[in-house]
Amino acid sequence: DVKVTQSSRYLVKRTGEKVFLECVQDMDHENMFWYRQDPGLGLRLIYFSYDVKMKEKGDIPEGYSVSREKKERFSLILESASTNQTSMYLCASRTGAQETQYFGPGTRLLVL
Amino acid sequence: QKEVEQDPGPLSVPEGAIVSLNCTYSNSAFQYFMWYRQYSRKGPELLMYTYSSGNKEDGRFTAQVDKSSKYISLFIRDSQPSDSATYLCAMEHGSSNTGKLIFGQGTTLQVKP
Repeated sequence: DVKVTQSSRYLVKRTGEKVFLECVQDMDHENMFWYRQDPGLGLRLIYFSYDVKMKEKGDIPEGYSVSREKKERFSLILESASTNQTSMYLCASRTGAQETQYFGPGTRLLVL
Repeated sequence: QKEVEQDPGPLSVPEGAIVSLNCTYSNSAFQYFMWYRQYSRKGPELLMYTYSSGNKEDGRFTAQVDKSSKYISLFIRDSQPSDSATYLCAMEHGSSNTGKLIFGQGTTLQVKP
């Protein structure tokens, strides 16, 4: 079974803090993705990576950065958290284009 | 206009009803169509995956793609309370080499016993 794990299910942070969200997949997938999900807005792509050390901006990259030093791990970084970054963050991975995309359980982030 | 439109609902049906969930899209380059199911406070999980036009059936679930109308549907027969979830449609360009999906907003379904 494919497994995508995220480091935290719930996080509470203060405005201005640097926040790290970690995602690990165990199926040697090439592509990894970070989304945020908000009521009424659906899933929005923040960043994705199709190889180690490669990254591409998604639809809403502002305020975020990513790191992929190893194939199995994709990190999302909020350099200076703001209240409008309160959201559900979902990581996903897939072997490549046209293949099934698998999601992690999500991290609910609250920025106070 | 969004590339993929999906009515957010909520949709409430009695147990045993046939449920129809739909998405429309504007980009004729989409070739791959998916339906994900997401239970509350969980990540989405793939339910159905179809390529191009036609129908695909899996148990109580049928996915239908009409490329001429740019319209996809998911039918759930004999709906159960355990089907209560948010259903997300997703699409991918035929020429995509990055694996980027475009998602609909999601439709919340409640099946009442």
